Amino acid sequence: DGGITQSPKYLFRKEGQNVTLSCEQNLNHDAMYWYRQDPGQGLRLIYYSQIVNDFQKGDIAEGYSVSREKKESFPLTVTSAQKNPTAFYLCASSINRQYGYTFGSGTRLTVV
Amino acid sequence: AQSVTQLGSHVSVSEGALVLLRCNYSSSVPPYLFWYVQYPNQGLQLLLKYTTGATLVKGINGFEAEFKKSETSFHLTKPSAHMSDAAEYFCAVTNSGGYQKVTFGIGTKLQVIP
Repeated sequence: DGGITQSPKYLFRKEGQNVTLSCEQNLNHDAMYWYRQDPGQGLRLIYYSQIVNDFQKGDIAEGYSVSREKKESFPLTVTSAQKNPTAFYLCASSINRQYGYTFGSGTRLTVV
Repeated sequence: AQSVTQLGSHVSVSEGALVLLRCNYSSSVPPYLFWYVQYPNQGLQLLLKYTTGATLVKGINGFEAEFKKSETSFHLTKPSAHMSDAAEYFCAVTNSGGYQKVTFGIGTKLQVIP
């Protein structure tokens, strides 16, 4: 079945370390997105990519980086510059704005 | 600019009662509107969407929503709540022209009381 796979589901990081969250899709979608979810704040856009080798900053890009070398993959790196990285991270993709998003199951990152 | 307002961050209903989750939006161009559901520690799943055509749209799990342009609303309803409906619900809007940015509401947690 087609879908989006995020890994790992739970991730623990020590302060000062970079960590990379994986997002892979086999839906043949052009557009991919990373969101951060915090209680009571809804979803906030970190980065998005509409085609391979191109990506744009979202509303809260500081302390994060991404790459889009393949259509299927859109990894997110949480750098040590991100001051409050503990959150639930969601990856999504879409083929067309009319069809909405398909989401992965999320990665819960905890800084220890 | 576009925005979404979900009235009520927490809603409680009795099992078998009507579910009504409110969503109002603002958009400078004709909108596309969505409702998503999220169960604990999972991603979001699309419940239903409005793009064009019929203003009453039906989705999965017995939910439906009506697009009312004059009221800029897209409220989500279900005639009879089930225990399995307990989850968080997000309304979202995107525009039909220009860049495909999606704006999400802050979510409404639905509690179903036995």
